[in-house]
Amino acid sequence: EVQLVTSGGGLAKPGGSLRLSCAASGFTFSSYSFSWVRQAPGKGLEWVSSITSSGSFISYADSVKGRFTISRDNARNSLDLQMNSLRDEDTAIYYCAGILAGENWFDPWGQGTLVTVSS
Amino acid sequence: QSVLTQPPSVSGAPGQRVTISCTGSSSNIGADYDVHWYQQLPGTAPKLLIYGNNNRPSGVPDRFSGSKSGSSASLAITGLQAEDEADYFCQSYDSSLSGFYVFGTGTKVTVL
Repeated sequence: EVQLVTSGGGLAKPGGSLRLSCAASGFTFSSYSFSWVRQAPGKGLEWVSSITSSGSFISYADSVKGRFTISRDNARNSLDLQMNSLRDEDTAIYYCAGILAGENWFDPWGQGTLVTVSS
Repeated sequence: QSVLTQPPSVSGAPGQRVTISCTGSSSNIGADYDVHWYQQLPGTAPKLLIYGNNNRPSGVPDRFSGSKSGSSASLAITGLQAEDEADYFCQSYDSSLSGFYVFGTGTKVTVL
């Protein structure tokens, strides 16, 4: 079964840090680029960051550039997002999502993990 | 911030046909990038519904169809069913500095 399991969310104070993880199984992890997509409460979807299959190319949305770091470990079939200098507006459900090499749609998706930034 | 514009809501009776528009610009849909659609049931993660403008992944009913023209795209649901009540998002790729992947504002489909 194709599966992405997200973990690491929780409550953080403004200026604090959290590290999200996404564990993949049931498909060839190294054949996919991966992204983090977030959804603020009651709002739409926002692309946050992407990393190519080899990890050689990384991109970030302007809203998180310089604060968030995406990484992957193809040996462990895992994806991470290190979030530093958190702001109130980073409060959202964070989803990891795969992008098959050469394509630009998101499939599969993880179940999401809630990040709440509040003092 | 969403770059693709969708109507906030559409509704229809069971069995009816509804359509959802997705309007972009010359840096995304109008630049001939494909449009993809996702269905998000309440409390769950988004699920790929349509990819490459008009292709359905395995398991998606043929009641769902997509189209694209110019800088816009549409999702049609024919034979609307109660289980289709969900949020729907379009997505494309953007070549401007605003971001690589862009989503629509989202549309809530209500089955009357």
